[in-house]
Amino acid sequence: GESVGLHLPTLSVQEGDNSIINCAYSNSASDYFIWYKQESGKGPQFIIDIRSNMDKRQGQRVTVLLNKTVKHLSLQIAATQPGDSAVYFCAELFTGGGNKLTFGTGTQLKVEL
Amino acid sequence: NAGVTQTPKFQVLKTGQSMTLQCAQDMNHEYMSWYRQDPGMGLRLIHYSVGAGITDQGEVPNGYNVSRSTTEDFPLRLLSAAPSQTSVYFCASSSTTGRDYGYTFGSGTRLTVV
Repeated sequence: GESVGLHLPTLSVQEGDNSIINCAYSNSASDYFIWYKQESGKGPQFIIDIRSNMDKRQGQRVTVLLNKTVKHLSLQIAATQPGDSAVYFCAELFTGGGNKLTFGTGTQLKVEL
Repeated sequence: NAGVTQTPKFQVLKTGQSMTLQCAQDMNHEYMSWYRQDPGMGLRLIHYSVGAGITDQGEVPNGYNVSRSTTEDFPLRLLSAAPSQTSVYFCASSSTTGRDYGYTFGSGTRLTVV
């Protein structure tokens, strides 16, 4: 479906706390789910991905959880830092259809000192 | 290693003008895509390519043309610019070799149509 509106959901956290950003996806045929970070004036930057046959994957300070039953994806950021302030997007990748990447609505993460 | 390079970074067009947004990647990636991003929204797919000579439409293709004559380049042409095409345009590339399917994005072209 289309995203409507000019205001992104916002998550405000204190520096040092953990952040959890959630995303609902729509295509059960997607092969990978990817989280991107976008800072102001820049292009999206790859953070971490998870294959559809997994339910958890960890990276450096980040963990992605996938719940296929309810079509839900989450990104957990440990010990959130000021440099983590950005817009975070989840995206679905369908490799069978030309590697098409479909983005969800983003979440603005604000880290308060 | 430059990654994905987009030019120009900024452009102002008058309604009805045409122009080409350039995109080049030096990673030998098979897949390339163009997205547009409107204020406060996610990225929407305009056109994509799975290799040289092969292109297809994405979610919002109207008013845009693409071609892919080489692996490296994937230009996006606006045929007759309209104010509704005011947006930030991102080019991206990816490869399915190895396990990294994640796209690499350029820094964007901010286009204003007046």
